[in-house]
Amino acid sequence: SAVISQKPSRDICQRGTSLTIQCQVDSQVTMMFWYRQQPGQSLTLIATANQGSEATYESGFVIDKFPISRPNLTFSTLTVSNMSPEDSSIYLCSVPGTGYGYTFGSGTRLTVV
Amino acid sequence: ELKVEQNPLFLSMQEGKNYTIYCNYSTTSDRLYWYRQDPGKSLESLFVLLSNGAVKQEGRLMASLDTKARLSTLHITAAVHDLSATYFCAVDLLEETSGSRLTFGEGTQLTVNP
Repeated sequence: SAVISQKPSRDICQRGTSLTIQCQVDSQVTMMFWYRQQPGQSLTLIATANQGSEATYESGFVIDKFPISRPNLTFSTLTVSNMSPEDSSIYLCSVPGTGYGYTFGSGTRLTVV
Repeated sequence: ELKVEQNPLFLSMQEGKNYTIYCNYSTTSDRLYWYRQDPGKSLESLFVLLSNGAVKQEGRLMASLDTKARLSTLHITAAVHDLSATYFCAVDLLEETSGSRLTFGEGTQLTVNP
């Protein structure tokens, strides 16, 4: 399965600022997924990022708040913009595994103060 | 809209006991996954279930899939403290317009007590 390097692992940010999270995959993948996990909750899909096209956002998530870049088949970034305390969550990227299943990055634990 | 429901959401059990976690989903799918998450950590893949009647076992954990009932189970045999974690099921749905996407259950927080 692919190996994902996700950065940063954690950050504490001031409200109103933005944070960009990076995911680097050790192999080329067509689709990358970004999830949010709010404290004590399950994972919710934010968007799907395909190389060479605009990301597809799920209901309740908008590009202005969570812009995504996908410059090539091994890399993607998610920016959390104009942060508020409600954005405090774990953010994870994911890619399809070899065959079936999905691999997840190590996650970014974001605290907004 | 696909809904995935797990129960129980919280499970406290004694070491050595057996128990089953259930995962029900609302739309036809024949791909279901189980993940484990330790506090503050990412998700670790446990099982990939790809067809009706699939059964997979790893150590004290066994997962099964009944696509007709839209039900998957994760059975724990003779629980040990190291199994304490949160367990998620996730259903993989391939949609024509948006492609493949995972929908997660709420998670089952398992605590195994000595």
